Amino acid sequence: DIQMTQSPSTLSASLGDRVTLTCRASQVVSSWLAWYQQKPGKAPELLMYGASSLESGAPSRFSGSGSGTEFTLTISSLQPDDFATYYCQQYNSYPVTFGQGTKLEIK
Amino acid sequence: QVQLVESGGGVVQPGRSLRLSCAASEFTFSNYDMHWVRQAPGKGLEWVAVISFDGSNKNHADSVKGRFTISRDNSKNTLYLQMNSLRAEDTAVYYCARPYTSNYYYFDYWGHGTLVTVSS
Repeated sequence: DIQMTQSPSTLSASLGDRVTLTCRASQVVSSWLAWYQQKPGKAPELLMYGASSLESGAPSRFSGSGSGTEFTLTISSLQPDDFATYYCQQYNSYPVTFGQGTKLEIK
Repeated sequence: QVQLVESGGGVVQPGRSLRLSCAASEFTFSNYDMHWVRQAPGKGLEWVAVISFDGSNKNHADSVKGRFTISRDNSKNTLYLQMNSLRAEDTAVYYCARPYTSNYYYFDYWGHGTLVTVSS
């Protein structure tokens, strides 16, 4: 199985900050990578797919990049609604696998 | 608006069984492969199982293989997860999830989840 490793595990940031979350795959996954946002007690919500395509309805302050084994999710200017946990997921090969998550906290 | 509504969770003793259901609406259920994904308390997401659109193909994670069985009834627009020989480590919120397509297994719709607690 492909292992997905996210860093950092926790990130403290302030409103208006630009932040970057990282996801690394143990094998090449091309651009078959998705990002999800999850808030406490809620199901995950799709943010990005294809490494850099923004899901319909997701705010444009989110952007994704990368291919192969290294990927990033950037939030250009943190808003109150963005404090949540973020997961990456590869869908290049079976079984799909998720990273362990990055929790974005208010500083 | 696509809806996925899970049910069937609860508290169960180790070694016992439970069947989860996921009722789908507002999309053509029989056109989509469907998945179960779980999340242990305070932990990350773990893929559990997938079933093809017509039910002819199924795959399960190694952690549940031989104990859990995914199935579906397209006439009822319902997905199931039969969970046998439950263990404490199966305690989790179980989500049903719809992939974008059968070729791209990222999940654009999720249910709200149902909590399974395995405890004596």
